Amino acid sequence: DGGITQSPKYLFRKEGQNVTLSCEQNLNHDAMYWYRQDPGQGLRLIYYSQIVNDFQKGDIAEGYSVSREKKESFPLTVTSAQKNPTAFYLCASSIEGTSGVAYEQYFGPGTRLTVT
Amino acid sequence: QKEVEQNSGPLSVPEGAIASLNCTYSDRGSQSFFWYRQYSGKSPELIMSIYSNGDKEDGRFTAQLNKASQYVSLLIRDSQPSDSATYLCAAPSPRGSDYKLSFGAGTTVTVRA
Repeated sequence: DGGITQSPKYLFRKEGQNVTLSCEQNLNHDAMYWYRQDPGQGLRLIYYSQIVNDFQKGDIAEGYSVSREKKESFPLTVTSAQKNPTAFYLCASSIEGTSGVAYEQYFGPGTRLTVT
Repeated sequence: QKEVEQNSGPLSVPEGAIASLNCTYSDRGSQSFFWYRQYSGKSPELIMSIYSNGDKEDGRFTAQLNKASQYVSLLIRDSQPSDSATYLCAAPSPRGSDYKLSFGAGTTVTVRA
């Protein structure tokens, strides 16, 4: 089965702790993305990566870090510097687009992070 | 101006009726457009892609694209209670030398039995 997996589904952490969210895909996609979704709101891009060992900041990168050591994997670390980390985190992947064309993104099931 | 804007909703329709969702986008260079359905507590699921002006039909869903007006819509015919969800519109926006998808805030649809 091709798809994107995220783990864990639910994560609880104390304030001040770093936490790493896992994202793995077997769709052979070059591009991977991390989004944050808050209740009643749309998706906000945190980081994206178009190729192994390279990634770019999205709109809300502060307090987050990523790595892309393998094509299949794009883990996200939520650091203690992130002021409001409680949210639903979504990982997605796609094939790379060209000018004016961004191809469909496929989403993992998400990780719901609660920090108290 | 937001890159992708949707009619805010929520939208309530009776079972069997047509639900009409609208979306506008800001970048004239955008060439690909998508509709996602997101059930409460779940991740977005792609339901329609459209690249050319005009209509594209897939089952009870019809996407309509008008690039001159920078407008894309989604019609859900014969609405069913299972269509109750939030629908996200997505369009490419320039980021540096690339285009990446930007998502609208979503329109929540409730189908009344």
